[in-house]
Amino acid sequence: QKEVEQNSGPLSVPEGAIASLNCTYSDRVSQSFFWYRQYSGKSPELIMSIYSNGDKEDGRFTAQLNKASQYVSLLIRDSQPSDSATYLCAVPGGSYIPTFGRGTSLIVHP
Amino acid sequence: KAGVTQTPRYLIKTRGQQVTLSCSPISGHRSVSWYQQTPGQGLQFLFEYFSETQRNKGNFPGRFSGRQFSNSRSEMNVSTLELGDSALYLCASSLRGGEDTQYFGPGTRLTVL
Repeated sequence: QKEVEQNSGPLSVPEGAIASLNCTYSDRVSQSFFWYRQYSGKSPELIMSIYSNGDKEDGRFTAQLNKASQYVSLLIRDSQPSDSATYLCAVPGGSYIPTFGRGTSLIVHP
Repeated sequence: KAGVTQTPRYLIKTRGQQVTLSCSPISGHRSVSWYQQTPGQGLQFLFEYFSETQRNKGNFPGRFSGRQFSNSRSEMNVSTLELGDSALYLCASSLRGGEDTQYFGPGTRLTVL
């Protein structure tokens, strides 16, 4: 049984700070990892995907992957109130059944 | 390129009724997955279709079923609705499924009274 664990939060950070979101997974077969953002009442939208160990940067977002320790994280620099949402970690694994974490609620306060 | 579309966006049904939801994937995507999202359980995988074949099914009762057509459009059906079926039903498409990136539709909000 694959498991994807995320701290449910809420994680509260002041505007302009760095928000750090973490995700651990149990399936060692997984080769790709995804971060989705979901605003209240909306569907998840893809923020970043990462396949290799190390960091991947896209604008204010940086995904970090450590396959040996089985965790993936998302850093949001210069956090804005518009970043307030739930962030979902997704791990497809070797099967065709993707597993999503329960999500971390992020609140960026002015 | 148009995104994933789902119809209807909102539905209100009563217990015992059945419902059919529709999903049109991104052009060229052959894999369609369905999810149920509730506040208590998060995002739960229902099933995935690829080239008109169900490749995987999540842990849901047989009241939940689906199909995929030759143009990759997909439908899911829920029979004998229960109050607990009230949820946001999301469809996601990807090129081939598996490790490919999934793109979600706007969802169908189902309320069972």
